[in-house]
Amino acid sequence: DAKTTQPNSMESNEEEPVHLPCNHSTISGTDYIHWYRQLPSQGPEYVIHGLTSNVNNRMASLAIAEDRKSSTLILHRATLRDAAVYYCIPTQLETSGSRLTFGEGTQLTVNP
Amino acid sequence: NAGVMQNPRHLVRRRGQEARLRCSPMKGHSHVYWYRQLPEEGLKFMVYLQKENIIDESGMPKERFSAEFPKEGPSILRIQQVVRGDSAAYFCASSPRYSSYEQYFGPGTRLTVT
Repeated sequence: DAKTTQPNSMESNEEEPVHLPCNHSTISGTDYIHWYRQLPSQGPEYVIHGLTSNVNNRMASLAIAEDRKSSTLILHRATLRDAAVYYCIPTQLETSGSRLTFGEGTQLTVNP
Repeated sequence: NAGVMQNPRHLVRRRGQEARLRCSPMKGHSHVYWYRQLPEEGLKFMVYLQKENIIDESGMPKERFSAEFPKEGPSILRIQQVVRGDSAAYFCASSPRYSSYEQYFGPGTRLTVT
């Protein structure tokens, strides 16, 4: 599995955009980039995934660098409910199946 | 549409007792994953099962831990002769197929060993 580097913590204000970066310089060509988050005292929750192109869904946007060595999760308007640990997880689905290798993640604090 | 269910949500065991953690996957999901989160640590993969088969147990401790996913009923993670170091949150996740983009996690079982 590719090694990832994420900031330990980030802070944002409510209703402002948040850009959560992730470096994954050892990613292979067939690794998908997944993002999950874990709210306090809950199980992880899928956020978004992508391979090469930028992706949007109702929760967030994922911007993937052209060389795929980094990506950025974008929350367009942070809410208090978005306070969580965010994990960036490259995964080679064909060989690893859906098994996820969690790193340290980024603790996001959202200020009212 | 019920999500992944885990029970009990909290479990207290004395050292040496057995702990049984149950996981009912989402309807239609036949792939189950167990993860453990030790206090102040990240989530670690333990085992991946399909119905009646263990596919990948590379993250399971060699002794005292076992898992099953029978044809009928929930998946069970069993810890024999628990020790204080087993105190952790145990999460189960399910997916509809082997290489699914999305895993659905349960709320976890918090095991405390006294």
